[in-house]
Amino acid sequence: GIQVEQSPPDLILQEGANSTLRCNFSDSVNNLQWFHQNPWGQLINLFYIPSGTKQNGRLSATTVATERYSLLYISSSQTTDSGVYFCAVGETSGSRLTFGEGTQLTVNP
Amino acid sequence: DSGVTQTPKHLITATGQRVTLRCSPRSGDLSVYWYQQSLDQGLQFLIQYYNGEERAKGNILERFSAQQFPDLHSELNLSSLELGDSALYFCASSATPGSPLHFGNGTRLTVT
Repeated sequence: GIQVEQSPPDLILQEGANSTLRCNFSDSVNNLQWFHQNPWGQLINLFYIPSGTKQNGRLSATTVATERYSLLYISSSQTTDSGVYFCAVGETSGSRLTFGEGTQLTVNP
Repeated sequence: DSGVTQTPKHLITATGQRVTLRCSPRSGDLSVYWYQQSLDQGLQFLIQYYNGEERAKGNILERFSAQQFPDLHSELNLSSLELGDSALYFCASSATPGSPLHFGNGTRLTVT
């Protein structure tokens, strides 16, 4: 099956800093989504982005499907951004999502 | 609030027992997914339903079963429970297979 690698595994930032999280995948995908799991365990869908670039407030994401990677940018980080960020991919538009191991982000005040 | 409702929030039971986890998808969503999250395995896909029919199966044990009912709610049944089944079980829904996925808050299962 498809392999998903996320980097870095851990990231510690000071409030106000910017960061870039990366997701590499081993095969062509038609579905890619980014999720944030907050410290209470809730999983929130951030982006549905099989290709191209999207922005939502301080967060933006870019997927370059031909090169098999996606990036999640967090600008002016806040303590509420802490948690685990997951990338999940699907080989076809309707197939199940395979999750990466996540990036654990800690934003200190 | 994602609109996906899972009950119960917490469940503590003994080895060998059977439990049922319940999920109500977001209004209008036809696809329901179950995922298991444990510390050493990450988020593992278990099973997917679409409009009442099983669509895809992942790493779901034979001791586990699920179904989606005509009103689109879903239940995950876990039987002959073992200590290793302790995990957070998530339900998610989407409008159609492949569209954005929305997760419930999960059921934390502890097997003692």
